Amino acid sequence: GENVEQHPSTLSVQEGDSAVIKCTYSDSASNYFPWYKQELGKRPQLIIDIRSNVGEKKDQRIAVTLNKTAKHFSLHITETQPEDSAVYFCAALNTGNQFYFGTGTSLTVIP
Amino acid sequence: GAVVSQHPSWVICKSGTSVKIECRSLDFQATTMFWYRQFPKQSLMLMATSNEGSKATYEQGVEKDKFLINHASLTLSTLTVTSAHPEDSSFYICSARDPRGLDEAFFGQGTRLTVV
Repeated sequence: GENVEQHPSTLSVQEGDSAVIKCTYSDSASNYFPWYKQELGKRPQLIIDIRSNVGEKKDQRIAVTLNKTAKHFSLHITETQPEDSAVYFCAALNTGNQFYFGTGTSLTVIP
Repeated sequence: GAVVSQHPSWVICKSGTSVKIECRSLDFQATTMFWYRQFPKQSLMLMATSNEGSKATYEQGVEKDKFLINHASLTLSTLTVTSAHPEDSSFYICSARDPRGLDEAFFGQGTRLTVV
């Protein structure tokens, strides 16, 4: 299977600052890495994703970087806003077409 | 994006009874669906992969006789929690990928199960 680790488990930032969440994966054949935002009691929502043939992707205030050699990828949120507060999960899609999730990061943006 | 619908959204049942949760792909056919379990403030743990027309594949440590999965059609997978106990109380969520698209997984809205 795949093993995905995520850090930190909790993160508090001041509004306007940046937030960075990091994940590592174990299966070098994994080729798709999405990031999900989950609010309490709701389904995860995809916010950005990256494929193994790309090193970086950006969508407005959100960016993801991927280092295939080191098997880690990171989520960057700039100019954070209170509505960014949620739990964020990274995931890796393995060759069996199964998603394995990181342990989650609870992000709090302090107004 | 594609739509995955899960029912019920929440259910309370007595210990010893069974509960069935449905996961439907509304606008696409899904030969494979995935079932996850999420405890409060924890991650989504893959329980099993549901395969249309064949047996589900269970992750290590998940009791297949406890969590029965049936994927009888290309748009419906069901998870039945049998002889439920309070420790089975959790948030259960399914997902599927639209084969017409890329790799994105679409999630059902989840089912909050409380066993009393």
